[in-house]
Amino acid sequence: AQSVTQLDSHVSVSEGTPVLLRCNYSSSYSPSLFWYVQHPNKGLQLLLKYTSAATLVKGINGFEAEFKKSETSFHLTKPSAHMSDAAEYFCVVSISGGYNKLIFGAGTRLAVHP
Amino acid sequence: GAVVSQHPSRVICKSGTSVKIECRSLDFQATTMFWYRQFPKKSLMLMATSNEGSKATYEQGVEKDKFLINHASLTLSTLTVTSAHPEDSSFYICSALWGALVEAFFGQGTRLTVV
Repeated sequence: AQSVTQLDSHVSVSEGTPVLLRCNYSSSYSPSLFWYVQHPNKGLQLLLKYTSAATLVKGINGFEAEFKKSETSFHLTKPSAHMSDAAEYFCVVSISGGYNKLIFGAGTRLAVHP
Repeated sequence: GAVVSQHPSRVICKSGTSVKIECRSLDFQATTMFWYRQFPKKSLMLMATSNEGSKATYEQGVEKDKFLINHASLTLSTLTVTSAHPEDSSFYICSALWGALVEAFFGQGTRLTVV
């Protein structure tokens, strides 16, 4: 069965420092993996997706994630945090490889301090 | 990117009444829409998959008679919570599938409070 574990419910960083949001997955197949961001009172926005192409995926707003099959991980990183990055981040795995059956992680709330 | 609009963003209703939530794809046609529920401090859980012109497919444990889904057009799906109870209070969010599994776009969500 597919599942997603986000290892940190809250992450707090200072503006300008690196961001690391950790995600581990479990999948019987070669998974499709996504990172979504949710700002308060807003819908979810796709940051990036991995679909069995390059293992290092670059997304919007300077975020990137690396698919590591041996570690079953798909951690999200950004070299330098900005105040506007404060939001809830979800790691998501797809059962079918597309968007039909998305399994969401519990979410990580990122706080960015001046 | 494509826009999905969800309405209302917040609703308060009395126990026993029904409330309808709309999900519209504003600039694309969506043959498939999804309805999720998000509990406080929890993740999103898929409730049902809505296909235009056919009956919705509900996930295990979701009462189809309580959560009525109608996808009457390529741009509109509705979720009706019937005979609402306080335990139905939650954040409901929809997504619409654009293209052939190209990307799913999410609405901004609806905060339902049943008093």
